[in-house]
Amino acid sequence: EVQLVESGGGFIQPGGSLRLSCEASGFTFRGYGMIWVRQAPGKGLEWISAITGGGGVTYYADTVKGRFTISRDNSKNSLYLQLNRLTAEDTAVYYCAKDLGGWPFYFANWGRGTLVTVSS
Amino acid sequence: QSALTQPASVSGSPGQSITISCSGTASDLGYNNYLSWYQQRPGKAPTLILFDVSDRPSGVSNRFSGSKSGNTASLTISGLQPEDEADYYCNSYTSFSTWVFGGGTRLTVL
Repeated sequence: EVQLVESGGGFIQPGGSLRLSCEASGFTFRGYGMIWVRQAPGKGLEWISAITGGGGVTYYADTVKGRFTISRDNSKNSLYLQLNRLTAEDTAVYYCAKDLGGWPFYFANWGRGTLVTVSS
Repeated sequence: QSALTQPASVSGSPGQSITISCSGTASDLGYNNYLSWYQQRPGKAPTLILFDVSDRPSGVSNRFSGSKSGNTASLTISGLQPEDEADYYCNSYTSFSTWVFGGGTRLTVL
């Protein structure tokens, strides 16, 4: 059974940094693309970043490009998202998701999310 | 990249069919058929219900179906059931090598 468990969320002041993690199990991690999606309180879903199985290619939404960095460690079955220069608009639940398999990515399995709150 | 356009809400009675529309541009829905739909029940993570416009992942009911024409796509749910009450989101891969969601549609089963 595919399991994705996010961690690292919390309360952070504007301008601060945070690193989110997503621990994966139940599948061959290196064989799948991985994605981060966020959802602000009471709002819709927003795709923010993706990475190929080998980690060699990354993708970012314009809203986070230059501030967020996606990475993965296939030896640890883990996905990461480094969040820098945070603003109140980054307050959201951050979900990691596993690709269905193939191209382009479809978000086939999701974790429960981790909440990031940016406030002074 | 602007969000795809969905109606804010739709409703239907048990047993009826409803359709949720999703409209975009030549850079997303009109660019390819890489369209998917997600269901999000209250307080839960989203789940994939359709991909490649109309394909269902294993385990998803055949009451869910999809179509697309040009820059507009639709999700149809037939034989509405109370457990279908949820938020539904369309998503498209774009010509910019990004993905974009619709704003979401709240389905109420009366």
